[in-house]
Amino acid sequence: DAGVTQSPTHLIKTRGQHVTLRCSPISGHKSVSWYQQVLGQGPQFIFQYYEKEERGRGNFPDRFSARQFPNYSSELNVNALLLGDSALYLCASSSGQGTYGYTFGSGTRLTVV
Amino acid sequence: GIQVEQSPPDLILQEGANSTLRCNFSDSVNNLQWFHQNPWGQLINLFYIPSGTKQNGRLSATTVATERYSLLYISSSQTTDSGVYFCAVGGTSYGKLTFGQGTILTVHP
Repeated sequence: DAGVTQSPTHLIKTRGQHVTLRCSPISGHKSVSWYQQVLGQGPQFIFQYYEKEERGRGNFPDRFSARQFPNYSSELNVNALLLGDSALYLCASSSGQGTYGYTFGSGTRLTVV
Repeated sequence: GIQVEQSPPDLILQEGANSTLRCNFSDSVNNLQWFHQNPWGQLINLFYIPSGTKQNGRLSATTVATERYSLLYISSSQTTDSGVYFCAVGGTSYGKLTFGQGTILTVHP
């Protein structure tokens, strides 16, 4: 079985641009969460989607948005990129929400110049 | 929100040594996971352990939920064990995980 897949693996963008990151969960998993990890820190929660509805949002500005599609894949969108948005963006999937273990993808490394 | 503290922040070992990593959390949780992050950034799930004890080869973990801590034991360490170990907890009805700052483990041959 394929694990959690994310694309692209690396991305370089210019300040002010928009970026879309993609995630496909493990087959059968209905929950997708997004995390941001800056260098030297633990991942920070951005969003969780379950059954195509937003179920949780972390402390991130409105420039960050996400959605989940009928096949449970997900997109994370970031508008008006800032240098501080440079980070590893991780996607995690789970079969449920709350009391289930999460499996993470390999991440998308975003560099904003 | 829940606070998660991991100790020690850094750990240097010789191959073959044993180690214990600790995770303290500030509130009751319904989810606790230990992860190993490799040099390429991949978070590898080691244990899903909101309570009790589990073992997987040279690794084992114990969570005492009533006392709000978890321990990860690594025995007979190998150079491939090097990397960052994260404890992550969830205390809400949805899936938010709060991560600690991690323990950087370096195993020398």
